[in-house]
Amino acid sequence: AQKITQTQPGMFVQEKEAVTLDCTYDTSDQSYGLFWYKQPSSGEMIFLIYQGSYDEQNATEGRYSLNFQKARKSANLVISASQLGDSAMYFCAMWGTYKYIFGTGTRLKVLA
Amino acid sequence: DAGVTQSPTHLIKTRGQQVTLRCSPKSGHDTVSWYQQALGQGPQFIFQYYEEEERQRGNFPDRFSGHQFPNYSSELNVNALLLGDSALYLCASSYPHGGVNYEQYFGPGTRLTVT
Repeated sequence: AQKITQTQPGMFVQEKEAVTLDCTYDTSDQSYGLFWYKQPSSGEMIFLIYQGSYDEQNATEGRYSLNFQKARKSANLVISASQLGDSAMYFCAMWGTYKYIFGTGTRLKVLA
Repeated sequence: DAGVTQSPTHLIKTRGQQVTLRCSPKSGHDTVSWYQQALGQGPQFIFQYYEEEERQRGNFPDRFSGHQFPNYSSELNVNALLLGDSALYLCASSYPHGGVNYEQYFGPGTRLTVT
């Protein structure tokens, strides 16, 4: 069975600092995808970054990077130079067998 | 280019009633997935439609059913509503080709309240 675990219910970070949001996963699939989404209070899920299971290099998208450690089955999101607008819920998700599995999310609060 | 749209935005229903939610995918997308997100939880996969067929289903009872039309838009139907069905229902569409790189675009959701 596939599973995503996010162990940090809430995180605080000072504006302009970097923050790491943790995500571990479990799957028996050889080929899978890992994603991070941001969900502001408005409710819409916003795609941030993607990492394929066969990708050897860590994915980066602007201020977002994904620290992929396949042997540890972890896919942590790193946000550099945090901004007040980064305050939101963040979900780690995995794609496999025609469906997504989401974690329970981490609520990030950026402090001025 | 319009993104994923959903209607209605909000809905209030009484226990035992039936509800239909609608979704129009992003232009060029032919696969639609539905998710239920309870307050404070992550989205839970309900089912996915591709080529007008249900391709995969999550752990939801038969009260949850869906449909995809030839224009790729989709409906989610929930019968015999329970209080526990109160949630945000998210629709997501994705690129034509399956495979691992399967980024989904989400709509703004429909907030369903069952009283």
